[in-house]
Amino acid sequence: GAVVSQHPSRVICKSGTSVKIECRSLDFQATTMFWYRQFPKQSLMLMATSNEGSKATYEQGVEKDKFLINHASLTLSTLTVTSAHPEDSSFYICSAETWREYTDTQYFGPGTRLTVL
Amino acid sequence: GQQLNQSPQSMFIQEGEDVSMNCTSSSIFNTWLWYKQDPGEGPVLLIALYKAGELTSNGRLTAQFGITRKDSFLNISASIPSDVGIYFCAGQRVSGGGADGLTFGKGTHLIIQP
Repeated sequence: GAVVSQHPSRVICKSGTSVKIECRSLDFQATTMFWYRQFPKQSLMLMATSNEGSKATYEQGVEKDKFLINHASLTLSTLTVTSAHPEDSSFYICSAETWREYTDTQYFGPGTRLTVL
Repeated sequence: GQQLNQSPQSMFIQEGEDVSMNCTSSSIFNTWLWYKQDPGEGPVLLIALYKAGELTSNGRLTAQFGITRKDSFLNISASIPSDVGIYFCAGQRVSGGGADGLTFGKGTHLIIQP
């Protein structure tokens, strides 16, 4: 149980185009999902918190107009990287939160590798 | 963004040896977690700690939540080849609106020499 999927797993796009990444909780409902970014050989950095039915909360330094987040249902959150540039190339990972064993636990997706040419 | 102080950055050990890594923070967290990440994949939860002073085991893994709530350690006993990977600590706060996103350490790269 507690499986989180991401699609696509890997995407290559041209500079200036937009890319949408989906995050789905497959066997549970998640009122809260989180988006992280991980550059090569670095740690995961929280980008934003996505709550179903409300606007996402962005971390300091993350441009909300560039990284559009939509949490359309209790099992789906999408991250759209608008007008992507080479510096946006990174590993984007989502997590979904659920109540397990008397506490909230985050389960991570497998990640999406974005390469902007 | 904030990162936790995780050490060591990398470890080169022999198969069968025990491993120890730790994380410290300048601020308090409600929850400490330990994850393992293989190349090109998302992190997988190993152990979650919810109470200060808590000591929890998961097979060969043991982790403790520091009394001050500002630190945690992870021990791996009798390492095996599949333990190779990057281990991350993560802290989580719980605010009025629910649990927050995680703050991660910089990772410990575990390399096992045959």
